[in-house]
Amino acid sequence: DAKTTQPNSMESNEEEPVHLPCNHSTISGTDYIHWYRQLPSQGPEYVIHGLTSNVNNRMASLAIAEDRKSSTLILHRATLRDAAVYYCILREPSYNDMRFGAGTRLTVKP
Amino acid sequence: NAGVTQTPKFRILKIGQSMTLQCTQDMNHNYMYWYRQDPGMGLKLIYYSVGAGITDKGEVPNGYNVSRSTTEDFPLRLELAAPSQTSVYFCASSLTGRGSETQYFGPGTRLLVL
Repeated sequence: DAKTTQPNSMESNEEEPVHLPCNHSTISGTDYIHWYRQLPSQGPEYVIHGLTSNVNNRMASLAIAEDRKSSTLILHRATLRDAAVYYCILREPSYNDMRFGAGTRLTVKP
Repeated sequence: NAGVTQTPKFRILKIGQSMTLQCTQDMNHNYMYWYRQDPGMGLKLIYYSVGAGITDKGEVPNGYNVSRSTTEDFPLRLELAAPSQTSVYFCASSLTGRGSETQYFGPGTRLLVL
């Protein structure tokens, strides 16, 4: 399985942009890059996913490096509600498993 | 839609007891999953199901059993509870199992085995 590497923790100020990095140097050509987040005492929540091109949705943007060996989740204006653990996960096209690492714990300061 | 619901929210078991964790989804999803999350760790897949009557093991299936008699329900059975099964259990569902698919998670069941 291709693995991901994320920083253990990051801090951000409220209303500032946040860039959460993820390295996945062994990614295969068909792996999807997913981001989920887990708010305190809740189940994981889907944030965004992509394959090759950058993606935007109402929650965040996903920037994927040209060689696909890294990606960055961008929260454009962090709020206190964005404080969570963010997981970067690679998923093969036809495989059921979703392997969670330890993720990045984001702290947002007022 | 309620999405994915789980009961109970919290349970304390004595060593050797058994219990069933309930999971129901109302999105008509074919795929359902059970994960466990130990403190400070990511989630690990216990079992999954690709449809009614079809289940398969995940990464950490020992000590658990599942069944899937309907599309909506996917209960997880713990037989002979052990302290190592103290964890938070999450159920999830998705329409298909494809890598591009989103999984929707329930709120979790916190289990303490003493």
